[in-house]
Amino acid sequence: KQEVTQIPAALSVPEGENLVLNCSFTDSAIYNLQWFRQDPGKGLTSLLLIQSSQREQTSGRLNASLDKSSGRSTLYIAASQPGDSATYLCAGTQGGSEKLVFGKGTKLTVNP
Amino acid sequence: GAGVSQSPSNKVTEKGKDVELRCDPISGHTALYWYRQSLGQGLEFLIYFQGNSAPDKSGLPSDRFSAERTGGSVSTLTIQRTQQEDSAVYLCASSLVGGRAGGYTFGSGTRLTVV
Repeated sequence: KQEVTQIPAALSVPEGENLVLNCSFTDSAIYNLQWFRQDPGKGLTSLLLIQSSQREQTSGRLNASLDKSSGRSTLYIAASQPGDSATYLCAGTQGGSEKLVFGKGTKLTVNP
Repeated sequence: GAGVSQSPSNKVTEKGKDVELRCDPISGHTALYWYRQSLGQGLEFLIYFQGNSAPDKSGLPSDRFSAERTGGSVSTLTIQRTQQEDSAVYLCASSLVGGRAGGYTFGSGTRLTVV
């Protein structure tokens, strides 16, 4: 059974800092991995999708990588801004399944 | 529509009552998913619809939960005889061909409170 873990559960940084959010999974048969952002009281916004054959994706100040052999994905945020404050969730699909397995998220606070 | 639409956005119900939650996926998306997010917990898969195939109901927590998708579009999640532990945010997502290939787009959710 696939399990996804995100560490730390919460992170507070000053504005402008570069930061890395970590996501680990137990089963290397993970098919693809997606990073989401969730603002308080809101749904999920997709940030980056790393397909099975890919190792990383970039969008603006965000870069996500996927290393199946080590069971890890990282989300790198460059030059963080207060508007980046949110909960970041990683989720993966496995094998022939369509089900997304989510981590519990990292709550990021960027202080002005 | 432009995004996945869910209604109502908030629902307060008395224990024992039935509730219906609605999801209107992005037009043309063949796959539709329901997830539940309980306080302090991660998102939990409930059910998955793909085209005309039989739905994957493996995540439904009890037989009080059911869902249908009419005409391959709108979906309704029904919870019968609600219990306090059903209180959560219920999120719907859709995907063009299946999330594994194309990623998922989530709605804003329905916050259900059972009192």
